[in-house]
Amino acid sequence: TQLLEQSPQFLSIQEGENLTVYCNSSSVFSSLQWYRQEPGEGPVLLVTVVTGGEVKKLKRLTFQFGDARKDSSLHITAAQPGDTGLYLCAGARHTGKLIFGQGTTLQVKP
Amino acid sequence: GAVVSQHPSWVICKSGTSVKIECRSLDFQATTMFWYRQFPKQSLMLMATSNEGSKATYEQGVEKDKFLINHASLTLSTLTVTSAHPEDSSFYICSARGAPAGDYEQYFGPGTRLTVT
Repeated sequence: TQLLEQSPQFLSIQEGENLTVYCNSSSVFSSLQWYRQEPGEGPVLLVTVVTGGEVKKLKRLTFQFGDARKDSSLHITAAQPGDTGLYLCAGARHTGKLIFGQGTTLQVKP
Repeated sequence: GAVVSQHPSWVICKSGTSVKIECRSLDFQATTMFWYRQFPKQSLMLMATSNEGSKATYEQGVEKDKFLINHASLTLSTLTVTSAHPEDSSFYICSARGAPAGDYEQYFGPGTRLTVT
């Protein structure tokens, strides 16, 4: 059973377009993290959201944690080819384990 | 800060042999380390959780006798794939959690590509 549904799983857009990736769950998480992973490398942490309703911005990336701490979104404004990669959301359990979503493969064409 | 290294970055071994992968936290003490495997174009699958000085906790479906995990110090965990077979070929990634990373965050190593021929 996939506890964290991430969508879309694949996204191909033109440079300059905006996009949103969603992570949804029926479970409550103590925190939620977003990672970006390049081929052949480990995931790199982008942000951690902890408080329900929290919004964090990282340059052109905006992360939001749902009020009930069950869902999150990542919005990228004016995507650039350098944004290409695999984006992963991961919900943290109280045990410290991370539950990963399926991942979103983003391709930004110049 | 919060750098995690893995060694080797890639390894090719023959079927039936054993391979050891090291995971080190370079600038913090990792009270907990996690081991994942990842297949191409897929997400990470947690294999096991290891706490320093205690036995690892394996996820359902992961053979503990095949994937031996040792967390002997606060900066080092090892994963040994015993009697490797071609189906064990995968990208293995470790992560570490502990001060100063805080309670919420895991920092990931760069991964180890294992190919079993």
